[in-house]
This record gives sequence, C-alpha cells and structure tokens, in this order.
Amino acid sequence: QVQLVQSGSEVKKPGASVKVSCKASGYTFTRYGFNWVRQAPGQGFEWMGWISTSNGNTAYSQKFEDRVTLTTDTSTTTAYMELRNLRSDDTATYFCARSSDRELATWGQGTLVTVSS
Amino acid sequence: DIQVTQSPTSLSTSVGDRVTITCRASQSISTYLNWYQQRPGKAPRLLIYAASILQSGVPSRFSGSGSGTDFTLTISSLQPEDFATYFCHQSFSPPFTFGGGTKVEI
Repeated sequence: QVQLVQSGSEVKKPGASVKVSCKASGYTFTRYGFNWVRQAPGQGFEWMGWISTSNGNTAYSQKFEDRVTLTTDTSTTTAYMELRNLRSDDTATYFCARSSDRELATWGQGTLVTVSS
Repeated sequence: DIQVTQSPTSLSTSVGDRVTITCRASQSISTYLNWYQQRPGKAPRLLIYAASILQSGVPSRFSGSGSGTDFTLTISSLQPEDFATYFCHQSFSPPFTFGGGTKVEI
C-alpha cells in the first residue's frame, strides 16, 4: 500500500537549518509530485511548496521561497524539505503529501520541528 | 492569495446526526476544493476531491457539493469514528490555502 514515512522530530536553535525527509513506498515514485505543508501548534495548515518527482520542477509559496528548498532522490524514493534560518514561529509539524492531481491524496505522519534557544 | 473561510469552527453533535460544514473562497475556484479529516495526532485523510468526488475507500455517508466560491461537506449520519476535525483546501492557484478547520465533537 502507499506509504509515506517521515523522519523524526527535531529541535533546532534560531538561525539553524532543518532537513526533513519523506520516504515513499508502494507506488511508482516518479508518477506523483509532493507538496509540503506545515501546521503550527493549534493552528491551521500552511502550504509551503510543491515538487515534481519526474523533472524536479518546483513551486514555492512566496512566504517561504527565500528559505526553503524541496528536493527528491529517485534512487531512494525520498523527498526532502530543507528550511533555513529558522525562527521560533517555524515551530510546527511538517507534513509531506503526495499529490494525485490537485488534491493531497496521501500524507506522511508529520515531523515536529521545534525551534528554541 | 485566495482566502478560504470555513464554518462553523466547532460543532457539538450526536451519533446519527446529519452534519454540514461549509467553505467559502474569496474568489471563484471552480471545483478545485478538497476536504480532509484529521483525528488527534494523526495525519490528515483525503475524503472528497474536486468538490464532490469521493476518495476511494471513504464511506458513502460523506458527500461534497459546490462550485465557484461556496462549498459544502455533508456527513449524512454521523458515526463514532467521525468525531474529528475537518478542513477544506483550495487547489485552484498557488499558494494553495486551507480553511481553519471544523472540530466535530459530542
């Protein structure tokens, strides 16, 4: 079955970077793109960006485009999200989600990133 | 950015009740509106996509309707496992945005 397994929780200091991974299995990796979405504690969801697994094309939210990089590794069927220059308000659970067309059909379990000095 | 306003923010209901949740977009988004369920501590689950198409494996008591700016998620007869938070998501144009969520509780 389709499964997305994300890397574990992280604690980072302000100004540091974090790289979250999302290992996919159960389907042909290059057929579907990935979105990354975050949810701050007690808040709604915020879309960060999308990456195509077939050609590496990306689209980023303007809010994050100067601090985030999305990549994929087809050899290991893994997607990555790197967020730089972390601030306390980046504390959130980060999700990868496989796109079928425009919908987010399958989600990873989430990775909690805590930014604290 | 397209704003998506979801209502109500919470709902107190009972098993067997009919539940209706609405989302309104700040501009027309055709039928690029999706609905998800999230239980505490779990990843979201896609219920409805393209406003009205039931995702495979989702019970038929869930249905969606609407186009343009106004959309509705209906649960025809609430089951115990349906107590969760529901949220909508517009995928018409980036940045894709989400409704604030509706918590369905007893």
